[in-house]
Amino acid sequence: EAGVTQFPSHSVIEKGQTVTLRCDPISGHDNLYWYRRVMGKEIKFLLHFVKESKQDESGMPNNRFLAERTGGTYSTLKVQPAELEDSGVYFCASSQVQGGDRGEQFFGPGTRLTVL
Amino acid sequence: LAKTTQPISMDSYEGQEVNITCSHNNIATNDYITWYQQFPSQGPRFIIQGYKTKVTNEVASLFIPADRKSSTLSLPRVSLSDTAVYYCLVGDGNFNKFYFGSGTKLNVKP
Repeated sequence: EAGVTQFPSHSVIEKGQTVTLRCDPISGHDNLYWYRRVMGKEIKFLLHFVKESKQDESGMPNNRFLAERTGGTYSTLKVQPAELEDSGVYFCASSQVQGGDRGEQFFGPGTRLTVL
Repeated sequence: LAKTTQPISMDSYEGQEVNITCSHNNIATNDYITWYQQFPSQGPRFIIQGYKTKVTNEVASLFIPADRKSSTLSLPRVSLSDTAVYYCLVGDGNFNKFYFGSGTKLNVKP
């Protein structure tokens, strides 16, 4: 079974440009999460989708970030315009159902974003 | 969201048992405790999860005291490949989001 995949693995852009990150969750997983780690800091939650609906977007830093999950499959995270402080690693994770006795989130390898 | 506190780093030798303790004083009634492992340039990987008492799987054991304000991840007989960062996470019953603390960097020496 394929795991969570993220594209691109690395992106280098200039301040003010736009970047779109993509996450493909494990097939059949309704829950999709975005996290990020900026330089030297901890991994922080950004938002959570249940299918195509945003369940919780309390971690989104500001309105320069827009996440979508059309059709409840893959998700995109757009940063527009990118700022220097957006540099970091963006992780996506997915899980099967809410609740239950094993809330394992499967993480992708991350996208390393560098804003110059 | 309950926060967690772990040692920043630990050293061990191959073949030893390693115990990493995590404090989560503000854990809520419906919170589970989950441990993840992360290697450089990879996403975190699930190790074990529990609610109370003891949980054991093929790679680790998790000990949770009655008050649930702490937990201990036990790795039996570590090898060099266990060198990684270990995160203790506390999430609500719906596992909507995890709070990642600083993690514990485990360094296993030959």
